[in-house]
Amino acid sequence: GESVGLHLPTLSVQEGDNSIINCAYSNSASDYFIWYKQESGKGPQFIIDIRSNMDKRQGQRVTVLLNKTVKHLSLQIAATQPGDSAVYFCAENRERNFNKFYFGSGTKLNVKP
Amino acid sequence: NAGVTQTPKFQVLKTGQSMTLQCAQDMNHNSMYWYRQDPGMGLRLIYYSASEGTTDKGEVPNGYNVSRLNKREFSLRLESAAPSQTSVYFCASSTQQGNQPQHFGDGTRLSIL
Repeated sequence: GESVGLHLPTLSVQEGDNSIINCAYSNSASDYFIWYKQESGKGPQFIIDIRSNMDKRQGQRVTVLLNKTVKHLSLQIAATQPGDSAVYFCAENRERNFNKFYFGSGTKLNVKP
Repeated sequence: NAGVTQTPKFQVLKTGQSMTLQCAQDMNHNSMYWYRQDPGMGLRLIYYSASEGTTDKGEVPNGYNVSRLNKREFSLRLESAAPSQTSVYFCASSTQQGNQPQHFGDGTRLSIL
């Protein structure tokens, strides 16, 4: 989640391997988190969300883990496929009664066939 | 179901020109948002509209104005474009209820010479 200016952190994995993408968030009062996937030339696409009263949530091939103690969020993608190649963003909602998100700078996932 | 539609997709302006970016959503959402995305960075909130008839500043509002035309449409205006406003602009919408995901359009790529 830290800004790295022009250079996105990149994770390269082999097709079929599991991927883990990490994100540090900044506000201990944030109580809702989302992972978005952004393909080249497209807008961010919702993948999975988690509320602060949970520490794990599973979707189809994806799992999000939340560690509130160290303000850390991770996205695990099982059996990574070439179609998973994209930039992944975490977003935290700092407003309890509204949707006002703050986005991390993103991680680029490169899946090698 | 188109979701969030942004027009135009691409635009080149000269410094000092004005421009309005259009956004429309068909999901009956109350809340709409404008973000900018610069290379290697996460999305930054420019302005948002919690509901029809209201607009508020986000993180980076300087140099922009917005209009919530009706429930469906939320436009972003650059009155006197500057090279620093070269960016990709994304519109998003969500329900007004807190802790719900935002849905994004595919962006307007704006270059200011």
